[in-house]
Amino acid sequence: KQEVTQIPAALSVPEGENLVLNCSFTDSAIYNLQWFRQDPGKGLTSLLLIQSSQREQTSGRLNASLDKSSGRSTLYIAASQPGDSATYLCAVQSGGGATNKLIFGTGTLLAVQP
Amino acid sequence: NAGVMQNPRHLVRRRGQEARLRCSPMKGHSHVYWYRQLPEEGLKFMVYLQKENIIDESGMPKERFSAEFPKEGPSILRIQQVVRGDSAAYFCATTGGQREKLFFGSGTQLSVL
Repeated sequence: KQEVTQIPAALSVPEGENLVLNCSFTDSAIYNLQWFRQDPGKGLTSLLLIQSSQREQTSGRLNASLDKSSGRSTLYIAASQPGDSATYLCAVQSGGGATNKLIFGTGTLLAVQP
Repeated sequence: NAGVMQNPRHLVRRRGQEARLRCSPMKGHSHVYWYRQLPEEGLKFMVYLQKENIIDESGMPKERFSAEFPKEGPSILRIQQVVRGDSAAYFCATTGGQREKLFFGSGTQLSVL
């Protein structure tokens, strides 16, 4: 059974700092991995999607890496801003079956202090 | 994603009442996933539907919960005889096909008094 873990559970950093969020998963047979952002009382916004054959994806100040063999992914945020404050969720789509069912981690609550 | 519409945004029910949550997919999307987010927990998969068919309901509680996605109209997640433990945020996500990117709605926050 696939399990997804995110550490740390919460993180507070001063504005401008670079930071790394971690995600690990127990079953390496994944189809893809996604990082989402969730703002309080709102839905999820997809940030980056990494296919199982890829090693990383970049979008602006965000860079996500994937090491499928070790069951790890990291989300790197450069030059953090107060607007980056949110909960960041990692989710994997398993390789078996033909569905988009995602298994989510419990998230990292990020606070960027001005 | 603004294209996936969920309503209501907030729903308050008393114990024993029924709750109906609606999800209107983005145009062209015929696959719907429902997720539940309990307080202090991550999102958990509930059910996957494709127009008029339930494909995977492995995450649905055995009793009181049902889902449908009729040929016309939104997908409905129905909770009968709600209990306090049903209080959660319920999200739907839609896609145009298997293995394509999911787009999430803003969720329905259900509060059971």
